[in-house]
Amino acid sequence: EIVLTQSPGTLSLSPGERATLSCRASQSVRSSYLGWYQQKPGQAPRLLIYGASSRATGISDRFSGSGSGTDFTLTISRLEPEDFAVYYCQQYAVSPGTFGQGTKVEIK
Amino acid sequence: EVQLVESGGDLVQPGGSLRLSCAASGFTFSGYYMSWVRQAPGKGLEWVANIKSDGSEKDYVDSVKGRFTFSRDNAKNLMYLQMNSLRVEDTAVYYCARNRGPGTGWFDPWGQGTLVAVSS
Repeated sequence: EIVLTQSPGTLSLSPGERATLSCRASQSVRSSYLGWYQQKPGQAPRLLIYGASSRATGISDRFSGSGSGTDFTLTISRLEPEDFAVYYCQQYAVSPGTFGQGTKVEIK
Repeated sequence: EVQLVESGGDLVQPGGSLRLSCAASGFTFSGYYMSWVRQAPGKGLEWVANIKSDGSEKDYVDSVKGRFTFSRDNAKNLMYLQMNSLRVEDTAVYYCARNRGPGTGWFDPWGQGTLVAVSS
């Protein structure tokens, strides 16, 4: 099983600032089979990124993904009020597909 | 519009059973792998099970093997999670989700979730 570790646990930022979220895998994630999700309180997760760097349909270009191997990053270029949420990474290269523990982006 | 709607969540005693349903609409249901993903209160996400598009193959997380059964009815655009021998640690919001892409796939979209509470 691939273990994903996200850092930091909480990121305190102001609207307009840049957010950089990290996801590190316990072993290499082949073909960059990694996704990112956003979850707001009381809502289901929403896909943001798949294939490490491809934006899902309807996702703002403020969101970008990068990385390969064991190190992946989600960047939010300029935080909007609606971006404050919890973000999860997920690998789908190996069964079971596993999630990171999440990074909470909160308003400073 | 692609939509998934879960139902069937409830409060059940340890050792009890429950069947969750998920109704799909807005896409060719029979063409996709589907999954259940759960989230314990205040915790992160955990993949539970997936099922091949024709229902012929299923995979489960180790903690539910032998207790949960995933099935689907492509004629009715429905899928089911039969949950037996429920444990307190199965308490969670259960989401159904459509699988996309290679490998075990990413999940898009997700249903709104249904709460399963296991307690005496």
